[in-house]
Amino acid sequence: DIQLTQSPSSLSASIGDRVTITCRANQTISNSLNWYQRKPGKAPNVLIYRTSGLQTGVPSRFSGSVSGTDFTLTISGLQPEDFATYYCQQTYTIPYTFGQGTKLEIK
Amino acid sequence: EVRLVESGGDLVQPGGSLRLSCVASGFSFKYYRMTWVRQAPGKGLEWVSEMNGDSSVILYVDSVKGRFTISRDNAKNSLYLQMNSLRDDDTAVYYCARTYTAHLDYWGQGTLVTVSS
Repeated sequence: DIQLTQSPSSLSASIGDRVTITCRANQTISNSLNWYQRKPGKAPNVLIYRTSGLQTGVPSRFSGSVSGTDFTLTISGLQPEDFATYYCQQTYTIPYTFGQGTKLEIK
Repeated sequence: EVRLVESGGDLVQPGGSLRLSCVASGFSFKYYRMTWVRQAPGKGLEWVSEMNGDSSVILYVDSVKGRFTISRDNAKNSLYLQMNSLRDDDTAVYYCARTYTAHLDYWGQGTLVTVSS
C-alpha cells in the first residue's frame, strides 16, 4: 500500500498566518492527491483535488502544489474557521490511503 | 442539495454482522461511484470500499475483503455495506461519500459501529 506521511502532525498558528502542510508519498502517485478538512463532529470536506484543483466553494486562500512526491497544502491568511484537522489522500492505487492528519490549532 | 444519510450503526459482538445503509438525494445517484470510509476512535481516515454506478466495479481494502460486501440499489438511491465476522478493530464511524472523478466531494455525517463483547 502507498504510505502518505503528513508533517507536521500538529501545528499552532495565528490568525492571518501563512501555513504549509506537507504530505509525502513513499512512491510516485502522479498528481492523484486530494486534501480534506475535518472539523470536530462534522464530515470531512474536500478542499483540493488532483494536487492543485480548488474545489468549488472553497476560498482561494487554500492552494496545493507538488515537488516530486512531496505535496503541499498552503493556507494564505489563516481565518478562524480554518482551525481543523487536514488529511491528504492518494487515489493513484487501491487502496486509496489517507495521511495520518495534521491538526491545526490556534496559537 | 446533495445529501447522504447513513444508518445502521450499532453495538455488536465480535463475530457478529451488521448492515449499513446510505440514502442519497439531490443528485442522479446511478451515475456516481460511491465509497465507504471509516474512522476508528483516535485514528485517521481509512478508505474501505468503492462501487461504481452499475455495480460492475467493486473495490475493497484488504482488511475487509471476504468479510464486507458493498452493494447498491439505484432504484432506491441507496448504498449498503454488509459487514460480517466483525472484529474489535472494525469499531469506527463509517461514512458514505460520493466519488467525483477521483475525490470524495460529498460525505454523510457517519454512523457509529462498535464491536465489543
